[in-house]
Amino acid sequence: VQLVESGGGLVQPGKSLKLSCSASGFTFSSYGMHWIRQAPGKGLDWVAYISSSSGTVYADAVKGRFTISRDNAKNTLYLQLNSLKSEDTAIYYCARKDYYSVFDYWGQGVMVTVSS
Amino acid sequence: DIQMTQSPHSLSASLGETVSIECLASEGISNYLAWYQQKPGKSPQLLIYYASSLQDGVPSRFSGSGSGTQYSLKISNMQPEDEGVYYCQQGYKYPYTFGAGTKLELK
Repeated sequence: VQLVESGGGLVQPGKSLKLSCSASGFTFSSYGMHWIRQAPGKGLDWVAYISSSSGTVYADAVKGRFTISRDNAKNTLYLQLNSLKSEDTAIYYCARKDYYSVFDYWGQGVMVTVSS
Repeated sequence: DIQMTQSPHSLSASLGETVSIECLASEGISNYLAWYQQKPGKSPQLLIYYASSLQDGVPSRFSGSGSGTQYSLKISNMQPEDEGVYYCQQGYKYPYTFGAGTKLELK
C-alpha cells in the first residue's frame, strides 16, 4: 500500500489549492479515504472522509470551504481547499479507512502554508 | 463532538521499563479506539485498533485495553525506537477525534 500526496505550497489567505493523493497497492475503489491535518507542532485533526460510494463527511472547521472527491479510474483522492485561512496552515495527510474506522495507512503528508 | 482526554502529556522511561498511556472519551465509544505512534518528521503509524487488536507488524510489547469510555496503551520493555508521540483516536462517531498526544522519551 502506498499513498503519495502532492499539490501543497504557499498560498495567500482567501485563495484556493487542490491536493491530490495517489494510491497504489490496493483496490482503491473499495476503500473509504480520509484527509487529516496537523498544524506545525500540534496534534492531529480529522478533516474529511469520502466513502467508497462517494458519500462525504466534513469537520465543521472546513465545511463549506473544502471538498473531498475521488477518481477511482485514476486511483486518486482529492481535497479542494477554498477560502483558505491562516489556521488552515498544516501538513495534510491522506489515509485509508479500514473496517474498524481507523486509519491503517497514511501518506507522507504535504505542507500547506496560508500566508500573505 | 466526542472529546478524547489523553494522559500524561509527556513521560520518560528507562530501557526495559513498562509504561502506560490513558485515554478517556467523553462518551462511550464501543471499543472503536485506535492508538498511533508518530516519530519526528514522519506520518503516524497505526499500532492498535478496536481497543486491543495489534496491527500487523507491530511488536507484541505494545498492547491495548479498555472499554466504554476508558482505554489504555501499555508499552512493555521500553526500547529506544519507541520514542515518539502517541495519539489515541475514536472512530465511533463523526467527527473522528484524537487525543492531544503523549510524548514518550527514553530516560
